[in-house]
Amino acid sequence: DAKTTQPTSMDCAEGRAANLPCNHSTISGNEYVYWYRQIHSQGPQYIIHGLKNNETNEMASLIITEDRKSSTLILPHATLRDTAVYYCIVRVAGDYKLSFGAGTTVTVRA
Amino acid sequence: NAGVMQNPRHLVRRRGQEARLRCSPMKGHSHVYWYRQLPEEGLKFMVYLQKENIIDESGMPKERFSAEFPKEGPSILRIQQVVRGDSAAYFCASSPPMETQYFGPGTRLLVL
Repeated sequence: DAKTTQPTSMDCAEGRAANLPCNHSTISGNEYVYWYRQIHSQGPQYIIHGLKNNETNEMASLIITEDRKSSTLILPHATLRDTAVYYCIVRVAGDYKLSFGAGTTVTVRA
Repeated sequence: NAGVMQNPRHLVRRRGQEARLRCSPMKGHSHVYWYRQLPEEGLKFMVYLQKENIIDESGMPKERFSAEFPKEGPSILRIQQVVRGDSAAYFCASSPPMETQYFGPGTRLLVL
């Protein structure tokens, strides 16, 4: 049962911002939005998470709509090393199982 | 602060042999999770352990697979009598209780 919907793939120009959308229209009030990415042949890397407020850290920003039914991960200045599969995951607080879907394959081009 | 460590990074086994995969959690993390990624598929949860306890092994195949997290030492995922279908990348994650999981680099198992 897919809790999130992401585009299959997207391209981004190096140095530009990459905006990755995620739909989670059935999200509950106690569910967080998590983002991970997996660079080829590596383990998933935690990026950011949020509940209802926008969040920013050294890697990215997370914008969550007011109704919480969708969110956008923003990589402010994409580099070639940001080429990866990006996973948007909805997780109930206290739930330990992460459900990875197909994610979005992001290709950053020079 | 070292991240989650897994070894070996690559493991080749012949059908019928045993595979042992090790995971050392991040310092201060008492919870360990194992996930499996079959070729061209997403990661699937296998098992969740705390020190000396298996909390949830609902994602583990019923036979040949076992996991432990002893009081001392790394967590071990053990696969007995491996078959070709066990070829996959096995990832370990660790966290403090109910917090963000951080993943290791994975062990790639190839069964010949």
